[in-house]
Amino acid sequence: AQTVTQSQPEMSVQEAETVTLSCTYDTSESDYYLFWYKQPPSRQMILVIRQEAYKQQNATENRFSVNFQKAAKSFSLKISDSQLGDAAMYFCAYLSPSFNNDMRFGAGTRLTVKP
Amino acid sequence: GAGVSQSPSNKVTEKGKDVELRCDPISGHTALYWYRQSLGQGLEFLIYFQGNSAPDKSGLPSDRFSAERTGGSVSTLTIQRTQQEDSAVYLCASSLAGGLFEAFFGQGTRLTVV
Repeated sequence: AQTVTQSQPEMSVQEAETVTLSCTYDTSESDYYLFWYKQPPSRQMILVIRQEAYKQQNATENRFSVNFQKAAKSFSLKISDSQLGDAAMYFCAYLSPSFNNDMRFGAGTRLTVKP
Repeated sequence: GAGVSQSPSNKVTEKGKDVELRCDPISGHTALYWYRQSLGQGLEFLIYFQGNSAPDKSGLPSDRFSAERTGGSVSTLTIQRTQQEDSAVYLCASSLAGGLFEAFFGQGTRLTVV
């Protein structure tokens, strides 16, 4: 099965500043989907942003954007103008349509936002 | 229902007992996932259902774990002869059909084995 690696267990950012969370993955497939999910202390997982591998254009959702480097198998998340409510665990996920559509997650990055 | 519903929300059980965790996905969602999350850790994949069938059971930690899904809807995850290392939050998610469709998660069941 594909593996997803998040090399930063914890990150910290000052309110209003920008932070980038890293994610790499291992795959031999060309068609797949990538996601970033946020898990606040409430434990409820929330989709932040998604990217189709065949699209070269990086996905953007308001203050959240990704840097998708397909050749490098890298999918980082940039949070601009960080807010206190952004504090959470962030999980990178990989989904393979050709491998039964199962979805695998990285170990997560705990983001702290300092006022 | 409006979202993915999991029950119970919390379960304390004695070592050696069997437990059954339930997931009620969003109506019409054909894909259903089970994950295990230990305290402060990532999501460990357990099993994935497409409809009633589970193409990938490779994530189940041992033969004490089993899961089924009936009618393409409700799923149950059963843990037999629970051990203390089974203590974790068990999360269920559902989506329309995988792919780019968003997976919606339940609130999870926190299992504590004493």
